[in-house]
Amino acid sequence: ETGVTQTPRHLVMGMTNKKSLKCEQHLGHNAMYWYKQSAKKPLELMFVYNFKEQTENNSVPSRFSPECPNSSHLFLHLHTLQPEDSALYLCASSQDAGDSNQPQHFGDGTRLSIL
Amino acid sequence: RKEVEQDPGPFNVPEGATVAFNCTYSNSASQSFFWYRQDCRKEPKLLMSVYSSGNEDGRFTAQLNRASQYISLLIRDSKLSDSATYLCVVIRTGKLIFGQGTTLQVKP
Repeated sequence: ETGVTQTPRHLVMGMTNKKSLKCEQHLGHNAMYWYKQSAKKPLELMFVYNFKEQTENNSVPSRFSPECPNSSHLFLHLHTLQPEDSALYLCASSQDAGDSNQPQHFGDGTRLSIL
Repeated sequence: RKEVEQDPGPFNVPEGATVAFNCTYSNSASQSFFWYRQDCRKEPKLLMSVYSSGNEDGRFTAQLNRASQYISLLIRDSKLSDSATYLCVVIRTGKLIFGQGTTLQVKP
């Protein structure tokens, strides 16, 4: 039990499909994050939400659209993805994105494959 | 140049060996430092925080040298279960910046 739950664990989709990734945290945290991990590359930060407000968009293409309805839930809406978007997508949470002393806790990730 | 650099390895060591990993960071404004462990095809998990005074947790010791801008992780008496990728992580202005990771393979 990681405290951060991601669904689905695996997703295969075509380039024209629309799907959403879901993340839920049960830790009482106020900050949530989306990361992308491609093979043999460091984790790349995509989006940050702090107290439900988006505070960071790390030059992510518009085919990725985040949504944070409350501090416990985070979505990543996907549409017209490209094959190079195939990766492990990790959600994380922390107490407060503005507190640099707080580590982040990760979910298990969604392994996404684009056909 | 990457902001956080690690030797990707792999480091292949026998059980019981002591192994050390180093990590360097380029931005002196970096505020906090951590080591994460990531098993194959799994999520990163926090291993330990890193302080200038050193931090020890069982067989693991982490150290930060702010003057030289490097972070180290020492693993004593390696176990087979220590085989994983060890990620050096720096927090700067609230953002986690990950190194590429160092892969450790402990052999029987």
